[in-house]
Order: sequence, then C-alpha cells, then structure tokens
Amino acid sequence: AQSVAQPEDQVNVAEGNPLTVKCTYSVSGNPYLFWYVQYPNRGLQFLLKYITGDNLVKGSYGFEAEFNKSQTSFHLKKPSALVSDSALYFCAVRDMRIKAAGNKLTFGGGTRVLVKP
Amino acid sequence: DSGVTQTPKHLITATGQRVTLRCSPRSGDLSVYWYQQSLDQGLQFLIQYYNGEERAKGNILERFSAQQFPDLHSELNLSSLELGDSALYFCASSTSPGQGTDTQYFGPGTRLTVL
Repeated sequence: AQSVAQPEDQVNVAEGNPLTVKCTYSVSGNPYLFWYVQYPNRGLQFLLKYITGDNLVKGSYGFEAEFNKSQTSFHLKKPSALVSDSALYFCAVRDMRIKAAGNKLTFGGGTRVLVKP
Repeated sequence: DSGVTQTPKHLITATGQRVTLRCSPRSGDLSVYWYQQSLDQGLQFLIQYYNGEERAKGNILERFSAQQFPDLHSELNLSSLELGDSALYFCASSTSPGQGTDTQYFGPGTRLTVL
C-alpha cells in the first residue's frame, strides 16, 4: 500500500526566510510525487510533480521540491517566503506499479504554513 | 482557476436525505475523480471514471454512487446521509485513465453539511 507522511502539522516562518515543508512517502515501486496547495475556501492548486529525472523539481510561485530516493522524501522548499504563501500544503503519491488503482492519489495529512510579516 | 467546475458550492441537508453533487471536468479531460476531505479522515480518494466507465474505486461507502455522462460531466450521489458525511467533496480531472504521470486538477469543492 502507498502512504504519505507530513510530520509537521504547522510550520511558522518569517517573511523573507526560507520555507521547507517536509514529506516522506512509502510505495512498493517507484513513486510519482505531487505537491498541492489549498488556500482558504479554495480547491487544491497544483504546485509541482516529480516523475523521473532531475531530483530537483521547480514549480509554480517560486516553489521547488527535492526528491531523495534513499530517504524516501520529497520536501517542498521556497528560498524566500511571502505572507501570501500562508496556506495548507499537501503532498501526494502514486505508486506507478499499481495499475489497478487507476490514477488514485494518496495524500498526506497536510501542513499548515503561516508566514508572518 | 483550474477549469474544473463544481456545483453547488454549499449544501446543507438533514440526516437520511439524498444529495447530488455535480462536476464538469476541464476541456479535453476524460478522467474524473472524486475525493472527500474531512477533519478526521483527511483527503480520501473515492472513485475515478474515465470516459464514462468506472476506472478505480477507493474508500467509497455503499451509500455513495457516482457516474460519468456522455458529455463527461460527473455526478456523485450521497444517500441516507449521516452526520459523519459532512465534508468537503472535491472533483478533479485529468487526461488519461491510468498513467500516473498526468496531473489532476481540482475544482473548488462542494461543502456538505448534514444536520
């Protein structure tokens, strides 16, 4: 079975400081990994994904994520956080071996990011 | 704006009732997914349809059913509603049936409150 863990319920950071949101995953095969962001009263917005290739993935709004196979991690990062980055962030995984599961995504519990001015 | 639309935005109903949530996918997308977001269960995959056919099933209760119509819009039917069904229901769409590389784009959600 595939699973995702986001060990921090909340991350607090000052505006202008680096932001990191942690994610670890568990799959039986190779993973496809995704990050989404949810603003209040909005749906999930796609930020970036890792399929294969370069371990550093660049996405929307200045975010990037680093895939680390040995540590089974896919941490989301932003060099300089903005107050407008305050939102709920979700990591998701799909195990490419499980074809019967269609395109099912398994999500982590979410991490709330609060960026203070 | 993802291009995925969901109606209604809010739904308030009583226990034992039945409701229908509607979703229109992005133009060109053939797959539709339903997810439930609740405080205790987090974001859970319910079901996927591809071009009118059920493709994958997740933790969907027997009281819940879904379908995808020829124009590709989808409906999620929730019946015999219980207090615990109160949640945010998301629809997402993507292009392919089972290739994990394509991105799922989410709608704004329908917030269901069961009283």
